Amino acid sequence: QVQLVESGGGVVQPGRSLRLSCAASGFNFNIEAMHWVRQAPDKGLEWVAVISFDGINKYYADSLEGRFTISRDNSRNTLYLQMNSLSAEDSAVYYCARESLDGYKGGWVDWGQGTLVTVSS
Amino acid sequence: DVVMTQSPLSLPVTLGQPASISCKSSQSLVHSDGNTYLNWFQQRPGQSPRRLIYKVSNRDSGVPDRFSGSGSGTDFTLEISRVEAEDVGVYYCMQGTHWPPAPGTFGQGTKLEI
Repeated sequence: QVQLVESGGGVVQPGRSLRLSCAASGFNFNIEAMHWVRQAPDKGLEWVAVISFDGINKYYADSLEGRFTISRDNSRNTLYLQMNSLSAEDSAVYYCARESLDGYKGGWVDWGQGTLVTVSS
Repeated sequence: DVVMTQSPLSLPVTLGQPASISCKSSQSLVHSDGNTYLNWFQQRPGQSPRRLIYKVSNRDSGVPDRFSGSGSGTDFTLEISRVEAEDVGVYYCMQGTHWPPAPGTFGQGTKLEI
Protein backbone atom coordinates (compact mmCIF):
# COMPACT_ATOMS: atom_id res chain seq x y z
CA GLN A 1 0.00 0.00 0.00
CA VAL A 2 1.39 3.36 -1.04
CA GLN A 3 2.05 5.79 1.79
CA LEU A 4 3.27 9.36 1.55
CA VAL A 5 3.83 11.10 4.86
CA GLU A 6 4.75 14.78 4.86
CA SER A 7 6.37 16.58 7.76
CA GLY A 8 8.18 19.80 8.53
CA GLY A 9 5.32 22.26 8.32
CA GLY A 10 4.64 24.89 10.95
CA VAL A 11 4.51 28.59 11.63
CA VAL A 12 7.40 30.60 10.24
CA GLN A 13 8.10 34.30 10.04
CA PRO A 14 8.15 36.12 6.70
CA GLY A 15 11.55 35.97 5.04
CA ARG A 16 12.59 32.79 6.84
CA SER A 17 13.12 29.30 5.48
CA LEU A 18 11.55 25.90 6.01
CA ARG A 19 12.25 22.41 4.72
CA LEU A 20 9.48 19.93 4.14
CA SER A 21 9.97 16.19 3.93
CA CYS A 22 7.88 13.40 2.47
CA ALA A 23 8.57 9.81 3.48
CA ALA A 24 7.44 7.35 0.84
CA SER A 25 6.70 3.66 1.13
CA GLY A 26 4.78 0.92 -0.62
CA PHE A 27 6.19 1.50 -4.07
CA ASN A 28 9.52 1.68 -5.85
CA PHE A 29 10.33 5.29 -4.97
CA ASN A 30 13.61 5.43 -6.84
CA ILE A 31 12.00 4.91 -10.25
CA GLU A 32 9.19 7.44 -9.87
CA ALA A 33 9.05 11.17 -10.47
CA MET A 34 7.57 13.04 -7.53
CA HIS A 35 5.74 16.33 -7.14
CA TRP A 36 4.76 18.93 -4.60
CA VAL A 37 1.30 20.49 -4.89
CA ARG A 38 -0.01 23.12 -2.52
CA GLN A 39 -3.37 24.49 -1.46
CA ALA A 40 -3.77 27.84 0.23
CA PRO A 41 -6.49 28.02 2.91
CA ASP A 42 -9.91 27.69 1.30
CA LYS A 43 -8.34 27.95 -2.13
CA GLY A 44 -7.72 25.62 -5.04
CA LEU A 45 -4.82 23.40 -5.95
CA GLU A 46 -1.52 24.75 -7.28
CA TRP A 47 1.31 22.67 -8.68
CA VAL A 48 4.65 23.60 -7.13
CA ALA A 49 7.49 21.43 -8.43
CA VAL A 50 8.52 18.07 -9.87
CA ILE A 51 11.72 16.06 -9.66
CA SER A 52 12.70 13.17 -11.91
CA PHE A 53 13.28 9.70 -10.50
CA ASP A 54 17.05 10.23 -10.39
CA GLY A 55 16.93 13.77 -9.06
CA ILE A 56 18.57 15.23 -12.14
CA ASN A 57 15.65 17.06 -13.72
CA LYS A 58 13.64 19.57 -11.72
CA TYR A 59 10.91 21.99 -12.73
CA TYR A 60 9.16 24.67 -10.74
CA ALA A 61 6.11 26.86 -10.95
CA ASP A 62 7.06 30.27 -12.34
CA SER A 63 5.38 31.96 -9.39
CA LEU A 64 8.04 30.64 -7.01
CA GLU A 65 10.69 32.90 -8.56
CA GLY A 66 13.54 30.56 -7.67
CA ARG A 67 12.89 30.50 -3.93
CA PHE A 68 12.07 26.79 -3.63
CA THR A 69 14.27 23.75 -4.25
CA ILE A 70 12.99 20.22 -4.67
CA SER A 71 15.29 17.31 -3.94
CA ARG A 72 15.20 13.66 -3.03
CA ASP A 73 17.21 10.99 -1.27
CA ASN A 74 16.45 7.66 -2.89
CA SER A 75 18.42 5.79 -0.23
CA ARG A 76 15.96 7.11 2.34
CA ASN A 77 12.85 7.06 0.11
CA THR A 78 12.34 10.70 0.98
CA LEU A 79 11.33 13.77 -0.99
CA TYR A 80 12.18 17.29 0.16
CA LEU A 81 11.13 20.86 -0.49
CA GLN A 82 13.42 23.63 0.68
CA MET A 83 11.49 26.89 0.86
CA ASN A 84 13.34 30.19 1.25
CA SER A 85 12.28 33.83 1.57
CA LEU A 86 8.80 32.78 2.58
CA SER A 87 5.91 35.21 2.38
CA ALA A 88 2.28 35.10 3.45
CA GLU A 89 1.35 33.99 -0.06
CA ASP A 90 3.22 30.73 0.57
CA SER A 91 0.89 29.78 3.43
CA ALA A 92 -0.74 26.56 2.36
CA VAL A 93 -1.06 22.85 2.88
CA TYR A 94 1.76 21.23 0.97
CA TYR A 95 1.13 17.79 -0.50
CA CYS A 96 3.68 15.42 -1.93
CA ALA A 97 2.21 13.40 -4.75
CA ARG A 98 3.13 10.49 -6.94
CA GLU A 99 2.37 10.92 -10.60
CA SER A 100 0.35 8.55 -12.72
CA LEU A 101 1.54 5.97 -15.23
CA ASP A 102 1.06 8.70 -17.85
CA GLY A 103 3.39 10.91 -15.86
CA TYR A 104 2.26 14.44 -15.10
CA LYS A 105 -0.24 14.19 -17.95
CA GLY A 106 -2.44 11.87 -15.90
CA GLY A 107 -2.19 13.91 -12.75
CA TRP A 108 -1.40 12.32 -9.40
CA VAL A 109 -2.65 8.99 -8.17
CA ASP A 110 -1.28 9.06 -4.64
CA TRP A 111 -1.20 11.97 -2.24
CA GLY A 112 0.10 12.48 1.25
CA GLN A 113 -2.05 13.91 4.00
CA GLY A 114 -0.36 17.26 3.60
CA THR A 115 1.62 19.48 5.94
CA LEU A 116 0.48 22.99 6.81
CA VAL A 117 2.83 25.92 6.40
CA THR A 118 1.77 29.22 7.91
CA VAL A 119 3.87 32.28 7.22
CA SER A 120 3.12 34.92 9.80
CA SER A 121 4.90 37.36 12.04
CA ASP B 1 -0.84 29.47 -20.78
CA VAL B 2 -3.85 27.23 -20.75
CA VAL B 3 -6.62 28.17 -18.34
CA MET B 4 -9.24 25.76 -17.04
CA THR B 5 -12.64 27.23 -16.14
CA GLN B 6 -15.22 25.30 -14.17
CA SER B 7 -18.91 25.96 -13.69
CA PRO B 8 -20.78 26.18 -11.52
CA LEU B 9 -18.48 26.97 -8.61
CA SER B 10 -21.16 25.92 -6.15
CA LEU B 11 -23.58 23.08 -6.79
CA PRO B 12 -26.38 22.38 -4.34
CA VAL B 13 -27.84 18.96 -5.01
CA THR B 14 -30.47 16.62 -3.65
CA LEU B 15 -29.55 13.11 -2.62
CA GLY B 16 -30.38 10.65 -5.35
CA GLN B 17 -30.50 13.33 -8.02
CA PRO B 18 -27.95 13.79 -10.81
CA ALA B 19 -25.24 16.44 -10.84
CA SER B 20 -23.11 17.85 -13.61
CA ILE B 21 -19.94 19.96 -13.60
CA SER B 22 -18.55 21.70 -16.66
CA CYS B 23 -14.88 22.31 -17.35
CA LYS B 24 -13.69 24.38 -20.29
CA SER B 25 -10.14 24.82 -21.48
CA SER B 26 -8.74 27.91 -23.18
CA GLN B 27 -6.84 25.63 -25.58
CA SER B 28 -7.46 22.22 -27.04
CA LEU B 29 -6.35 19.43 -24.74
CA VAL B 30 -5.61 17.00 -27.53
CA HIS B 31 -1.98 15.96 -27.05
CA SER B 32 0.41 15.28 -29.91
CA ASP B 33 0.19 11.59 -28.98
CA GLY B 34 -3.53 11.64 -29.77
CA ASN B 35 -4.74 11.40 -26.19
CA THR B 36 -6.66 14.05 -24.30
CA TYR B 37 -5.29 14.51 -20.80
CA LEU B 38 -8.20 15.87 -18.84
CA ASN B 39 -8.42 14.57 -15.29
CA TRP B 40 -10.92 15.03 -12.48
CA PHE B 41 -10.12 15.09 -8.78
CA GLN B 42 -12.38 14.89 -5.77
CA GLN B 43 -11.47 16.45 -2.44
CA ARG B 44 -13.74 15.54 0.43
CA PRO B 45 -13.81 17.86 3.44
CA GLY B 46 -10.61 17.58 5.42
CA GLN B 47 -9.06 15.08 3.03
CA SER B 48 -6.37 15.07 0.37
CA PRO B 49 -7.41 15.15 -3.27
CA ARG B 50 -8.14 11.89 -5.02
CA ARG B 51 -8.11 11.27 -8.75
CA LEU B 52 -11.48 10.06 -10.02
CA ILE B 53 -11.21 10.22 -13.79
CA TYR B 54 -8.26 10.32 -16.17
CA LYS B 55 -8.04 10.92 -19.90
CA VAL B 56 -11.56 12.37 -20.00
CA SER B 57 -13.58 9.28 -19.23
CA ASN B 58 -11.55 6.56 -17.51
CA ARG B 59 -12.57 5.87 -13.92
CA ASP B 60 -9.87 5.08 -11.41
CA SER B 61 -9.98 1.85 -9.47
CA GLY B 62 -12.57 1.97 -6.71
CA VAL B 63 -14.48 4.91 -8.16
CA PRO B 64 -18.21 4.17 -8.23
CA ASP B 65 -19.76 3.85 -11.66
CA ARG B 66 -22.17 6.67 -10.87
CA PHE B 67 -19.26 8.95 -11.78
CA SER B 68 -18.64 9.50 -15.48
CA GLY B 69 -16.57 11.86 -17.54
CA SER B 70 -17.09 13.02 -21.09
CA GLY B 71 -16.07 15.66 -23.56
CA SER B 72 -13.48 16.49 -26.15
CA GLY B 73 -11.24 19.27 -27.33
CA THR B 74 -11.96 22.12 -24.94
CA ASP B 75 -15.26 21.14 -23.31
CA PHE B 76 -15.58 18.51 -20.64
CA THR B 77 -18.15 17.32 -18.13
CA LEU B 78 -18.15 15.31 -14.93
CA GLU B 79 -21.49 13.74 -14.14
CA ILE B 80 -22.77 11.99 -11.07
CA SER B 81 -25.82 9.93 -11.91
CA ARG B 82 -27.27 9.80 -8.39
CA VAL B 83 -25.59 11.87 -5.73
CA GLU B 84 -24.82 10.19 -2.42
CA ALA B 85 -23.85 11.83 0.85
CA GLU B 86 -20.23 10.72 0.49
CA ASP B 87 -19.92 12.73 -2.72
CA VAL B 88 -19.90 16.03 -0.85
CA GLY B 89 -16.68 17.92 -1.49
CA VAL B 90 -14.87 19.97 -4.08
CA TYR B 91 -14.24 18.71 -7.59
CA TYR B 92 -11.35 19.94 -9.73
CA CYS B 93 -10.61 19.40 -13.36
CA MET B 94 -6.96 19.41 -14.33
CA GLN B 95 -5.26 19.41 -17.72
CA GLY B 96 -2.12 17.38 -18.29
CA THR B 97 -1.65 18.03 -21.99
CA HIS B 98 0.29 21.27 -21.84
CA TRP B 99 3.64 21.51 -20.08
CA PRO B 100 4.72 23.17 -17.87
CA PRO B 101 1.82 23.33 -15.45
CA ALA B 102 0.64 26.93 -15.33
CA PRO B 103 -1.48 28.49 -12.58
CA GLY B 104 -4.56 27.70 -14.66
CA THR B 105 -3.76 23.99 -14.89
CA PHE B 106 -6.48 23.27 -12.36
CA GLY B 107 -10.01 24.55 -12.56
CA GLN B 108 -11.15 26.73 -9.68
CA GLY B 109 -13.05 23.87 -8.10
CA THR B 110 -16.76 23.14 -7.78
CA LYS B 111 -18.18 22.71 -4.31
CA LEU B 112 -20.84 20.02 -4.25
CA GLU B 113 -23.16 20.28 -1.28
CA ILE B 114 -26.36 18.59 -0.27
